[in-house]
Amino acid sequence: DQQVKQNSPSLSVQEGRISILNCDYTNSMFDYFLWYKKYPAEGPTFLISISSIKDKNEDGRFTVFLNKSAKHLSLHIVPSQPGDSAVYFCAAAYQGGSEKLVFGKGMKLTVNP
Amino acid sequence: GAVVSQHPSWVICKSGTSVKIECRSLDFQATTMFWYRQFPKQSLMLMATSNEGSKATYEQGVEKDKFLINHASLTLSTLTVTSAHPEDSSFYICSAPTQAYEETQYFGPGTRLLVL
Repeated sequence: DQQVKQNSPSLSVQEGRISILNCDYTNSMFDYFLWYKKYPAEGPTFLISISSIKDKNEDGRFTVFLNKSAKHLSLHIVPSQPGDSAVYFCAAAYQGGSEKLVFGKGMKLTVNP
Repeated sequence: GAVVSQHPSWVICKSGTSVKIECRSLDFQATTMFWYRQFPKQSLMLMATSNEGSKATYEQGVEKDKFLINHASLTLSTLTVTSAHPEDSSFYICSAPTQAYEETQYFGPGTRLLVL
């Protein structure tokens, strides 16, 4: 039973446009959410996170939105760049990002020049 | 920034042998480390939580006698896959959380295990 779901396996966008990656979760006890970027045969790289007490967190081109009532979060990348092409994982934690994480299956983002 | 290393990055072994994977935090101390496993095109699945100075905590369905974890110091955790079989072939990744930065975890580069 997947507690963190990334329902779209892939997304393709043009360079300069916005990329929107979605993530849904089922467990209302999660209180911290993170996005990771991963290249093949490498470990994930942390991108951005958000606490459940917030509904938005921004860091440069990356913004994460959290809708607790809908149990939904999204990652916006603006503007998208070819170097953003990778697999993006959404992860959730019960007590902060330093605790064990529950990952979604990932979404492959391709940014076309 | 914080760096977590893993060694080896690649290992091929015969069925029945044991393989040890090391995870090190290079510029910070980690009393806790996590071990994940990823199958092709699948999510990262938490296997166990490695605790410095005490026993590891295993997730449901993970055989603790098969996947031995030792957290010998504040910068080193090891995962030993004992009597490896082809179904153990996978990508193993460790992570270490740090409070010194934004509350998150830093992941190692992963270890690809192939059991023949």
